[in-house]
Amino acid sequence: GESVGLHLPTLSVQEGDNSIINCAYSNSASDYFIWYKQESGKGPQFIIDIRSNMDKRQGQRVTVLLNKTVKHLSLQIAATQPGDSAVYFCAEIPQKLVFGQGTRLTINP
Amino acid sequence: DAMVIQNPRYQVTQFGKPVTLSCSQTLNHNVMYWYQQKSSQAPKLLFHYYDKDFNNEADTPDNFQSRRPNTSFCFLDIRSPGLGDAAMYLCATSTQGGSTEAFFGQGTRLTVV
Repeated sequence: GESVGLHLPTLSVQEGDNSIINCAYSNSASDYFIWYKQESGKGPQFIIDIRSNMDKRQGQRVTVLLNKTVKHLSLQIAATQPGDSAVYFCAEIPQKLVFGQGTRLTINP
Repeated sequence: DAMVIQNPRYQVTQFGKPVTLSCSQTLNHNVMYWYQQKSSQAPKLLFHYYDKDFNNEADTPDNFQSRRPNTSFCFLDIRSPGLGDAAMYLCATSTQGGSTEAFFGQGTRLTVV
């Protein structure tokens, strides 16, 4: 069956450092991936996406890397800020949107 | 302006009393999803619609039903809520064919007493 999982349930970083959040997926047919940010009490918010014909995509302070060989995604957040504290989910949409486990990112001042 | 709207934001219901959560969208998306999210867990897909085609997840309890009377609205009906059904319920929309993001509502937090 399909599953999208994350390696680490929690991540704590110093303000200003870079954050790297990882995600593994099992459906090799997946061709589109999304990273979502979810703050407490709110719905998931789109951060960045990547299609399977790419291995890297950059946004503002965020970069997503895709390694199809090992079925692995990562989200890199540059110069992490207190406002980045949230739970981050990777998700895939081959036919339906399925979420990974999630990683809680905590920023230390 | 909110594009996916869930009402109410907070719902309290009694054990065993049927409850309906609603979701509306202004995006004219043909795919709508319902997720259940418990504390410190990822959203779990309950079911989704492609237009009027209903797709139930294999492990979604029969207690959960859904209706989509038109493109804009989708309802989640919980026939006999149990204490274990207390959770955040999220609605999302996307366009069919994949490769587009899904837009989420703010969720309805359901409390069962």
